[in-house]
Amino acid sequence: EAQVTQNPRYLITVTGKKLTVTCSQNMNHEYMSWYRQDPGLGLRQIYYSMNVEVTDKGDVPEGYKVSRKEKRNFPLILESPSPNQTSLYFCSAETMTEAFFGQGTRLTVV
Amino acid sequence: TQLLEQSPQFLSIQEGENLTVYCNSSSVFSSLQWYRQEPGEGPVLLVTVVTGGEVKKLKRLTFQFGDARKDSSLHITAAQPGDTGLYLCAGEENRDDKIIFGKGTRLHILP
Repeated sequence: EAQVTQNPRYLITVTGKKLTVTCSQNMNHEYMSWYRQDPGLGLRQIYYSMNVEVTDKGDVPEGYKVSRKEKRNFPLILESPSPNQTSLYFCSAETMTEAFFGQGTRLTVV
Repeated sequence: TQLLEQSPQFLSIQEGENLTVYCNSSSVFSSLQWYRQEPGEGPVLLVTVVTGGEVKKLKRLTFQFGDARKDSSLHITAAQPGDTGLYLCAGEENRDDKIIFGKGTRLHILP
């Protein structure tokens, strides 16, 4: 079964404490992406990756880092989280004709 | 960055009625996707359209990509309460590989 797995599903952390949200896919898709979803703003792309070792900024990359050392994993790193990064985060793995999203990570930064 | 305007933002109609949701931009997209999202879950892809003028059908749902690849519509025939949800359109920009989403249409079908 095609799957994108994010961890953790829920996280409450404090300002400035580095965190990583993991994302793993089992489909061998080259394109992976991170989004944040906020009320009234919809889904906005943070970073995307066309393939291993190839990453690019989306619309809202500030405050985030990503890496793509292997095809199946695409972790999202917040080096110094701030309250304005409180949001619902989604990872996806896509091709031209199909796209699969993880179940989301609800992050609260206090 | 291109913008995708979705309309209406909210729609509440009776079971059995027909409806259309629109997704519009002033710029050209290489492809456009429609998703449905349930509360607490990730978006689920319904369809991808890539050719201008393309029409795709998925049971009672009909998707159309505009001739100029700047707009798209989702038409639901004889809406059912099970169609209730958040519908999102997303486009892949022509110039790079970014994906942008519309803000969504929240659809509520009354039994």
